Amino acid sequence: RKEVEQDPGPFNVPEGATVAFNCTYSNSASQSFFWYRQDCRKEPKLLMSVYSSGNEDGRFTAQLNRASQYISLLIRDSKLSDSATYLCVVMDGTGGGNKLTFGTGTQLKVEL
Amino acid sequence: DAGITQSPRHKVTETGTPVTLRCHQTENHRYMYWYRQDPGHGLRLIHYSYGVKDTDKGEVSDGYSVSRSKTEDFLLTLESATSSQTSVYFCAISESTGSNYGYTFGSGTRLTVV
Repeated sequence: RKEVEQDPGPFNVPEGATVAFNCTYSNSASQSFFWYRQDCRKEPKLLMSVYSSGNEDGRFTAQLNRASQYISLLIRDSKLSDSATYLCVVMDGTGGGNKLTFGTGTQLKVEL
Repeated sequence: DAGITQSPRHKVTETGTPVTLRCHQTENHRYMYWYRQDPGHGLRLIHYSYGVKDTDKGEVSDGYSVSRSKTEDFLLTLESATSSQTSVYFCAISESTGSNYGYTFGSGTRLTVV
C-alpha cells in the first residue's frame, strides 16, 4: 500500500465548476499536511498547508480528518489556469529531516 | 524567486559514466533534499541533508551518493549511471523547524542515460 494515495484522474471540468480531490495517508504519526501544485514539466510549488480545523485560501479549501487519515482539496469557480497536477503531501515529523512523502498526483483539466 | 538553482537543467549521458548534479541555495536553509520523479511513482526521496556534512538516505538511495561541504551546495552523484536512473531530479530546501513549512523546489534536472 502506498503511503499517500490519490486518484490520478484526469478530472476534466468546465470553467466555473467546483471540483474536489481526495487523498489518504497510511502513517498515523504524520504531523503536517500540504497540497502542492505542479504544472507540466515544472517543479512542484506549495499551494497550501492543511490544518486540522480546515483552512481556506480564496477559491481553495483544504480539510484534514486525522481519524480517517484523509485529506481533501476543494476548488471553487475553476479557472483555466487551475489546470495542473495537484500533489497531496504528508510530513513525517519523527526522526530528523522534516521528510515529505508525496502522492502521485491528481491531474485537473479545466475546459472552456 | 531564484533562491534555489539546479545545474545542469538537461543532461544526456552514457551508461556507466559518473554524473554529478548540483543544487545551490541562497536562503541559508538547513535542510536540503534530492528527489527523483518518475511516471506512476511521484516524487521519491533519494538523500537529504540536515547540515554541512550531515546527510542521510531516503527510500531510493541505491546507486546515488551525496555531499554537502557548504550550507549552500548539495551535490548528487551517480557513480555509474544506469538506464533506470533516467528521470527528472528535483532539489528542495526547507527551513529547519516548524510543522507548517513546506519545501521550495528547484526547477529540476532532466537526466537521460543512454
